[in-house]
Amino acid sequence: NAGVTQTPKFQVLKTGQSMTLQCAQDMNHEYMSWYRQDPGMGLRLIHYSVGAGITDQGEVPNGYNVSRSTTEDFPLRLLSAAPSQTSVYFCASSYGTGGSFGFTGELFFGEGSRLTVL
Amino acid sequence: DQQVKQNSPSLSVQEGRISILNCDYTNSMFDYFLWYKKYPAEGPTFLISISSIKDKNEDGRFTVFLNKSAKHLSLHIVPSQPGDSAVYFCAASEGIQGAQKLVFGQGTRLTINP
Repeated sequence: NAGVTQTPKFQVLKTGQSMTLQCAQDMNHEYMSWYRQDPGMGLRLIHYSVGAGITDQGEVPNGYNVSRSTTEDFPLRLLSAAPSQTSVYFCASSYGTGGSFGFTGELFFGEGSRLTVL
Repeated sequence: DQQVKQNSPSLSVQEGRISILNCDYTNSMFDYFLWYKKYPAEGPTFLISISSIKDKNEDGRFTVFLNKSAKHLSLHIVPSQPGDSAVYFCAASEGIQGAQKLVFGQGTRLTINP
């Protein structure tokens, strides 16, 4: 059981380049999301999805694009990279609203993708 | 404006003693709170959660206390072990159903000294 898999783990871009961070989960989770972690800021929500075909913006969506064509995959696209997007990016997934006993709403995170924009 | 604040960037505790990590929030709509633990080069992992209908939740060595009137929560680790050395994030949401859209604090780096 791989859980949440993010690729690449490291990437260096030049300003203006585009790229896609990949995220895949094998737990059949409904919810998927992307966070970025910056020093002194904690993790901040970029975009999230409550199911295939449904996405919405989080706290810091500008400069990022997402789509969710399958339950398993939730790629994050940077259309024109800027130095302010230098960060560590985490993809997460979770069960739906469930309602089953013991449901905690916990997010399962990938190992992160470290992006540097020069 | 930081809606969830962890005002101590770091904390150092002796092995076997109690570790207390603190978290404050400003948004009155938050009523579900979680703690995550993060090791270097890994993603955060869920530790424990608490709903606003409770003031305490316990899981083994970990206990979370919630003071709604003060908008404050704390995580107690007893006894502290070397493997507890990590960064701890407090997070909040509007209900357990909103736990997919968490607001995180800045994190506290806990170091357990032998």
